[in-house]
Amino acid sequence: KQEVTQIPAALSVPEGENLVLNCSFTDSAIYNLQWFRQDPGKGLTSLLLIQSSQREQTSGRLNASLDKSSGRSTLYIAASQPGDSATYLCAVGGDQGGKLIFGQGTELSVKP
Amino acid sequence: EAGVAQSPRYKIIEKRQSVAFWCNPISGHATLYWYQQILGQGPKLLIQFQNNGVVDDSQLPKDRFSAERLKGVDSTLKIQPAKLEDSAVYLCASSSTGAYGYTFGSGTRLTVV
Repeated sequence: KQEVTQIPAALSVPEGENLVLNCSFTDSAIYNLQWFRQDPGKGLTSLLLIQSSQREQTSGRLNASLDKSSGRSTLYIAASQPGDSATYLCAVGGDQGGKLIFGQGTELSVKP
Repeated sequence: EAGVAQSPRYKIIEKRQSVAFWCNPISGHATLYWYQQILGQGPKLLIQFQNNGVVDDSQLPKDRFSAERLKGVDSTLKIQPAKLEDSAVYLCASSSTGAYGYTFGSGTRLTVV
């Protein structure tokens, strides 16, 4: 049974810092991995999707890496801003069908 | 492009009452998902539809939860009777091709008292 864990559960940093969020999964037989952002009272917004054959994806100040063999993914946020404050969720897709298994999320607070 | 619409946004009910949530996916999206997100946890899949057929309902508590997707478009999720532990945000999502193009609605926050 696939389990997804995110560390840390909460993180507070000053504006401008570069930071890394971690995600680990127990079964390396994944189809893809996605990082989502969730703002309070809102739904989830997809940030980056990494196919199982890929090592990383980049979008603006965000970079996500995937190491299937070790069961790990990281989300790197460069030059953090207060607007980046949100909960970040990692989710693993096990097949083409689209079912996602989520971690519990990392709540990020970026202080001005 | 309009997003995934959900209603109501909030609902408070007493335990043992029934409740229903509605979801309208993005037009043309064949796959529709219902996720349950308990406070402090990540979302958990309850049921997945492909058009109007059920693909996965392995984690749906079928003694109290039911869901349908009429004509492969809108979907309703019902809880009857509700328990305190059903308090959560119920998220609907749709996608055009499996894991790609996942779009979530804003969710329905259910409080059972």
